[in-house]
Amino acid sequence: DGGITQSPKYLFRKEGQNVTLSCEQNLNHDAMYWYRQDPGQGLRLIYYSQIVNDFQKGDIAEGYSVSREKKESFPLTVTSAQKNPTAFYLCASSREGAYEQYFGPGTRLTVT
Amino acid sequence: GEDVEQSLFLSVREGDSSVINCTYTDSSSTYLYWYKQEPGAGLQLLTYIFSNMDMKQDQRLTVLLNKKDKHLSLRIADTQTGDSAIYFCAEENTGFQKLVFGTGTRLLVSP
Repeated sequence: DGGITQSPKYLFRKEGQNVTLSCEQNLNHDAMYWYRQDPGQGLRLIYYSQIVNDFQKGDIAEGYSVSREKKESFPLTVTSAQKNPTAFYLCASSREGAYEQYFGPGTRLTVT
Repeated sequence: GEDVEQSLFLSVREGDSSVINCTYTDSSSTYLYWYKQEPGAGLQLLTYIFSNMDMKQDQRLTVLLNKKDKHLSLRIADTQTGDSAIYFCAEENTGFQKLVFGTGTRLLVSP
């Protein structure tokens, strides 16, 4: 059963703590993406990676970091430098050269 | 700029047709996409249209593309309560190999 998994579905953290969100895909896709979604708003691109060991900043990369050590995995770390980290985070992937993206179920992060 | 615009809200009765509109900016986009998001879930790819097409039909879904006006629409025939969701259009940003999403249209279908 191919797809994208994100874990956990809900995550709670105290302010000042770093937290890492997991994203794994078994679709053999080269490209992976992280988006942030706030209530009533669209998706904003945080980081994306077209190939292993390479990634680019999206529109709102400040306060976030990523790594792409394996093709299947693209974890996102929300650092304490991110001013408003509470949001719904979505991971997606696509084939090389294709723009059609497939999404995971999302992780809702709440920071208090 | 990279603004993909959609109206925020649409309310219809069950059995009616729904039309969700989108204006995009990148005239070099090869494909344009429609995604559906149910509450608390990820986005599901509904359909897409190639830029050299004017129309694409897929069961209850019809996509219309007006390249001159950079206008895209999604028509859902015989709308059901299960169609209640947020619908996003997306264009390709060919320069950076990424998608640019609209703000989303929340469709509410009442019985």
